[in-house]
Amino acid sequence: QQQVKQSPQSLIVQKGGISIINCAYENTAFDYFPWYQQFPGKGPALLIAIRPDVSEKKEGRFTISFNKSAKQFSLHIMDSQPGDSATYFCAASMNTGNQFYFGTGTSLTVIP
Amino acid sequence: ETGVTQTPRHLVMGMTNKKSLKCEQHLGHNAMYWYKQSAKKPLELMFVYSLEERVENNSVPSRFSPECPNSSHLFLHLHTLQPEDSALYLCASSQDPGHPYNEQFFGPGTRLTVL
Repeated sequence: QQQVKQSPQSLIVQKGGISIINCAYENTAFDYFPWYQQFPGKGPALLIAIRPDVSEKKEGRFTISFNKSAKQFSLHIMDSQPGDSATYFCAASMNTGNQFYFGTGTSLTVIP
Repeated sequence: ETGVTQTPRHLVMGMTNKKSLKCEQHLGHNAMYWYKQSAKKPLELMFVYSLEERVENNSVPSRFSPECPNSSHLFLHLHTLQPEDSALYLCASSQDPGHPYNEQFFGPGTRLTVL
């Protein structure tokens, strides 16, 4: 059973546009939601993360929106740039144990 | 070297071969992880080591055998693999083994192909 569901699988956005990637979860025990960015030939790297005590977190052009009642969270990339082209993974974890549960990834392509 | 390094970067092996993947972290972390990344699937956690002791094994087949000789090094020994084991194998480390909020730092991965 997939703990975190991510969509879309792929996304093409024009330079300067907004990229939106969505994730949903079922386990209400999750209390930490990171997003990872992965470039070809590299491992994933933490981009931004949120805890459920806030509904939004912004770091530069990247924003996480969190809806606790709907058990959904999303990544918004404002003013998308070609350098943002990568695969993005959402994840979830709880404050016990060592495991992160990852989504299936979204391949983002930003067209110049 | 900085961060998390993995060798080899690419590996092709037959089903009867025995090979090992190596991971080294230069971050002073206490926990290390092996993940399997397959196309269109979530990252699958395979093994977790905390302070050199295995703390989690997510029902991984015995043809995968991890080894953690010290907090900086992690190996994944492979034997009699199947073609479906072909994937990108990622190593990661984190500072506090018991605290999942700690950021996991990933290596670049080993692309494994089993013929």
